[in-house]
Amino acid sequence: AQTVTQSQPEMSVQEAETVTLSCTYDTSESDYYLFWYKQPPSRQMILVIRQEAYKQQNATENRFSVNFQKAAKSFSLKISDSQLGDAAMYFCAGPSSGTYKYIFGTGTRLKVLA
Amino acid sequence: EAQVTQNPRYLITVTGKKLTVTCSQNMNHEYMSWYRQDPGLGLRQIYYSMNVEVTDKGDVPEGYKVSRKEKRNFPLILESPSPNQTSLYFCASSLLNPGRGEQFFGPGTRLTVL
Repeated sequence: AQTVTQSQPEMSVQEAETVTLSCTYDTSESDYYLFWYKQPPSRQMILVIRQEAYKQQNATENRFSVNFQKAAKSFSLKISDSQLGDAAMYFCAGPSSGTYKYIFGTGTRLKVLA
Repeated sequence: EAQVTQNPRYLITVTGKKLTVTCSQNMNHEYMSWYRQDPGLGLRQIYYSMNVEVTDKGDVPEGYKVSRKEKRNFPLILESPSPNQTSLYFCASSLLNPGRGEQFFGPGTRLTVL
């Protein structure tokens, strides 16, 4: 079955430190994108970063980067130099094999401590 | 401004009273989708549409209906709402199918069914 798993319901990080959020993604597809979305207290869903599965290079967007280990089915998000504005729910997401469905993980709530 | 709009933003109703949540996008996107968000469960897909007159079930379609008569609009219909449909609902759209492109989200609709 198609699954997206986030095993950390909540995490905390000190301001200016680095934190890694975990996600595992199981699929039978060979070519696809994976995504991380951020949901701040405003509830708006915001794309943080995307990773193309067949690319060797991990995606980077400013302080956000992914560590995509295709064989291990791991898709983690690293946030460097954490800021108070990074406090939010973070969801990983991707397509469901053989369909046009879209699947989200259950989310990780990130707290940033001043 | 490119955006996805939803109305209403907040709705309190009673069991059995039919309601419609509207969704509209101005980006000429092919793919549109509805999600519900519940604590601890992440976002779960209700229905999606690949194009006009083409819709399909997501993972939690029971109790919901959709239609896609125009490319820009994708209303969500609850014919006979029940308390277990109390949730936060998001509409989203993307240019490409979910395996290839990011989704753009509306601001969300908070629905309470008494």
